[in-house]
Amino acid sequence: DAGVIQSPRHEVTEMGQEVTLRCKPISGHDYLFWYRQTMMRGLELLIYFNNNVPIDDSGMPEDRFSAKMPNASFSTLKIQPSEPRDSAVYFCASTPWASGVNEQFFGPGTRLTVL
Amino acid sequence: KQEVTQIPAALSVPEGENLVLNCSFTDSAIYNLQWFRQDPGKGLTSLLLIQSSQREQTSGRLNASLDKSSGRSTLYIAASQPGDSATYLCAVRASGGGADGLTFGKGTHLIIQP
Repeated sequence: DAGVIQSPRHEVTEMGQEVTLRCKPISGHDYLFWYRQTMMRGLELLIYFNNNVPIDDSGMPEDRFSAKMPNASFSTLKIQPSEPRDSAVYFCASTPWASGVNEQFFGPGTRLTVL
Repeated sequence: KQEVTQIPAALSVPEGENLVLNCSFTDSAIYNLQWFRQDPGKGLTSLLLIQSSQREQTSGRLNASLDKSSGRSTLYIAASQPGDSATYLCAVRASGGGADGLTFGKGTHLIIQP
């Protein structure tokens, strides 16, 4: 398996622009998570899905952030409009609930810079 | 709200030494605990996962222990090598009906001197 795939790996944009981050979970994993990592706050959970349905979005910082999972193999995290304080590394992770172990597997991350 | 603390924040030791990284969490109602490794500019690599019913897990030179009642976990690295240099992150998953997200510590930045 190729693991969790994220794109783009790096994104540089200007304040006010829309940013879309993409994630493909490991096939067969029914949970998908979005995390954000900053120097100040470390790694924080933003939102997670089970079988394509958002379960907990309490970590989403503002209404400017939205996430969707239209099917089992694709999810997006959108920021509109983007602000410099959104600069961070965004990680996607997935896990198979049926395994009972629930080890989370992380993608390589998208490094976002908002100028 | 669960809080995870890792001590020390940074550690530098000569090659060959055995070392211990510490992780503590405030809410003992956890489902499991995972240790990750993160290299600069890279993603997270899962090292070990300990279920709440387990006391320890081993993988090669790594051994992780869990004392759920006291809210502590340690990661033991034997015979450290320069290639072990990285940031080590501890994360806990709350117990519950679903696969909740992880709560992470800030990590221990480890440098192994050749």
